[in-house]
This record gives sequence, C-alpha cells and structure tokens, in this order.
Amino acid sequence: NAGVTQTPKFQVLKTGQSMTLQCAQDMNHEYMSWYRQDPGMGLRLIHYSVGAGITDQGEVPNGYNVSRSTTEDFPLRLLSAAPSQTSVYFCASSPTGLQGANVLTFGAGSRLTVL
Amino acid sequence: AQSVTQPDIHITVSEGASLELRCNYSYGATPYLFWYVQSPGQGLQLLLKYFSGDTLVQGIKGFEAEFKRSQSSFNLRKPSVHWSDAAEYFCAVGRAGTASKLTFGTGTRLQVTL
Repeated sequence: NAGVTQTPKFQVLKTGQSMTLQCAQDMNHEYMSWYRQDPGMGLRLIHYSVGAGITDQGEVPNGYNVSRSTTEDFPLRLLSAAPSQTSVYFCASSPTGLQGANVLTFGAGSRLTVL
Repeated sequence: AQSVTQPDIHITVSEGASLELRCNYSYGATPYLFWYVQSPGQGLQLLLKYFSGDTLVQGIKGFEAEFKRSQSSFNLRKPSVHWSDAAEYFCAVGRAGTASKLTFGTGTRLQVTL
C-alpha cells in the first residue's frame, strides 16, 4: 500500500510555463484535495474532488486547474506559472463517511519554484 | 467561516520537559478537530483527532489533546518531550458533511534542546 503518491518531488519552472503535478492514491478513497503550504500561512485548500468527474474550488483556486477522470488520480495543472505559485504542494485523500471524510492522508509533497 | 489560530509560531523546550501547544478555533457548531505533525521535508502525519464524546483524546507518539468547548480550544500536550519530536505541528478543523476539506492553522515549530 503506497498511500498517496506525488510526482515530481521538486520542479523549477520559468514564468509562463505550464506543468502538471501528479497525485495518485491506492486506498480507494472517494475524496481528494490539493493544498499549498507557504511559510507562516499553514496549508490552504486549492481544489478538491468528491468523486470521479466531480471537482470544486477551494480557498485559493486561481491559476490552477484540476480534473478527476478516475478514483485513483487527481492531477493539478498550472496553466501559466507565476512566481506567486512558488510553494510546496500537498495532495490528500480521505474515505467517505461523515467523520472519515475529514481524516486526510497526505502525500510527501511537491516543491515548486517559479523563476 | 471556520478558522484556526495557533498563537505560538515557535516554541523551544528541553528534552524531558512537558509540552503544550495551543490551538483555538472558530466554528458555529461542534467541530471536528485534528493535530498533524510535519517533520522537515516530509508530508503531514495525523497525530490525533476529535469527533465527539470524551474530550480528552489520545494519539500516537504519546501525545494527547483536550477539547474545551467553553474556550474554543484544542491544545496538544505531551508529558515528556523527546528530541525526535522536533517538527512543525498543525491544528486543523473540519465539519460533518464536508469532504477532504480542512482549515489549518499557521503551525507551531517545536525545537527541542538536549
């Protein structure tokens, strides 16, 4: 059981480039989400998904796109990278249930630098 | 909207000393409360969680937390800190009916001196 797997672990982009952060989970969790972590700001929710084909915006969605074609995968796309998107990105998943839906399992993170 | 405040950005304790990390939340109904720990360069690991019932909850690594509704607090405690506890600690709040959506505090970095 690998849990939540994120790739790449590190990435450097130039302003205006696009890229996709990959996230896969093997726990058959229905819910998945993306957070960004910035110094002094904790983790903030970017996008989340309650199942295949269903996504919604979180607190800081601008500049990011997501899709959920399968239960296992939830990629995060940066369409035109900006220096403000320099951050550490975490993918998380959780099972269904009133309580279980809140118990997140996190990936190891992807550190992105935009020059 | 729900929010979480961790008033201490950085705390230093000696190995073997007791620890208390503060967490205050703002939420209209009974919240679901969590503490996560993040070691340098790592992801977040769940320490403990509170949904309902007994207000003192036990977690992994010898940590415990107490839910105090009257104070809107969920402070994390450990009676004797080990050097390996040095990490960043995050308090988070969620609620029934939401999915994979937690609101996190800004974190408290714990340093342990030998």
